[in-house]
Amino acid sequence: GDSVTQMEGPVTLSEEAFLTINCTYTATGYPSLFWYVQYPGEGLQLLLKATKADDKGSNKGFEATYRKETTSFHLEKGSVQVSDSAVYFCALRDTNAGKSTFGDGTTLTVKP
Amino acid sequence: DGGITQSPKYLFRKEGQNVTLSCEQNLNHDAMYWYRQDPGQGLRLIYYSQIVNDFQKGDIAEGYSVSREKKESFPLTVTSAQKNPTAFYLCASSLRDIRGYGYTFGSGTRLTVV
Repeated sequence: GDSVTQMEGPVTLSEEAFLTINCTYTATGYPSLFWYVQYPGEGLQLLLKATKADDKGSNKGFEATYRKETTSFHLEKGSVQVSDSAVYFCALRDTNAGKSTFGDGTTLTVKP
Repeated sequence: DGGITQSPKYLFRKEGQNVTLSCEQNLNHDAMYWYRQDPGQGLRLIYYSQIVNDFQKGDIAEGYSVSREKKESFPLTVTSAQKNPTAFYLCASSLRDIRGYGYTFGSGTRLTVV
């Protein structure tokens, strides 16, 4: 079945540092890929997405590129802020737009 | 504004009680989902529904039940058969068959057994 593997956390960075959270996937067909963010005590929010190879999703300074050859969708941000502290989930949705499969989440803490 | 509403935000259950968590959406989404999240862990799928009057078990359905009588509503009942129900419960909804369409999540219900 489909699966998503995320970089284990927690990740702790200083403000203005560069962020990378790795995500790789296994899927039959040609899934859509997503990153979600969860702030403490809240539900998940869609952060960005990509639907085909070499697509780059971007939002709020975060970016991720759909790499079919390496089955990856790594999340990056050039300069993190304290307000970026949250849990980040990588996910895929199968070709027929059925259920999504989520990674285990990566906790990011940004210190001033 | 359209959205998805979960209630209550906090819920306390006594041993042996059934409790029902509400999930309502006004996004006209076909599909709805229930997830359980334990501290420091990822999401585990409990039940999902792609259309009204139909639903399927997820990975951890034992001790839970759902109904989907209306498109807008997908309540989750945590029964007394669920031995360890203390967790954060998330409801989500989405359109079906639209490539690249993500999930919209509610703000969650935190259930505690007392």
